[in-house]
Amino acid sequence: DAGVTQSPTHLIKTRGQQVTLRCSPKSGHDTVSWYQQALGQGPQFIFQYYEEEERQRGNFPDRFSGHQFPNYSSELNVNALLLGDSALYLCASSLSGAWSQPQHFGDGTRLSIL
Amino acid sequence: DAKTTQPNSMESNEEEPVHLPCNHSTISGTDYIHWYRQLPSQGPEYVIHGLTSNVNNRMASLAIAEDRKSSTLILHRATLRDAAVYYCILRDVGETSGSRLTFGEGTQLTVNP
Repeated sequence: DAGVTQSPTHLIKTRGQQVTLRCSPKSGHDTVSWYQQALGQGPQFIFQYYEEEERQRGNFPDRFSGHQFPNYSSELNVNALLLGDSALYLCASSLSGAWSQPQHFGDGTRLSIL
Repeated sequence: DAKTTQPNSMESNEEEPVHLPCNHSTISGTDYIHWYRQLPSQGPEYVIHGLTSNVNNRMASLAIAEDRKSSTLILHRATLRDAAVYYCILRDVGETSGSRLTFGEGTQLTVNP
């Protein structure tokens, strides 16, 4: 049973560029959430996708956008990259309606901005 | 979301029990208490969760105070592989917040050989 997979594992970009990160949820899950984790901090919620729509959003600017595909996989896009966007980006999947049940996380994409 | 308070760090010796505390004095009646841990270079991993009663699984036990304002994650015999950051999270299952997880800074557990 494949867990949550993310790609790429590492990425280096420069300021002003755009980046796309990808996530495949755990088998049987239909909801994908994205988190940003700065060094030494806990993960911060970016947004959540269900039924190909953004359902919830954290306190992140519009430069952060996403997409969910019919197979439930998801992309996170960040435009006009800033140095402060350097972080570990985590994807988590869950089953809609089972809100008390755990989310399953991937091991993240480490994004470095030069 | 209700807030949790955890110690920044704790230390334990291998094969000894570890009790990781969490305070959540503003918990609401529909908040589940979840614990996740994050090992170095990995994503967070679910450990255990509960609502009112104490819970046990193969990884740990969760002891919940009668008034639900605090809880304790218990690792019965710590191993070196248990060295991680442990997060105590209240999972608001209300209609407006769904399954969002709100992480604090967690407790860094060091296990000494």
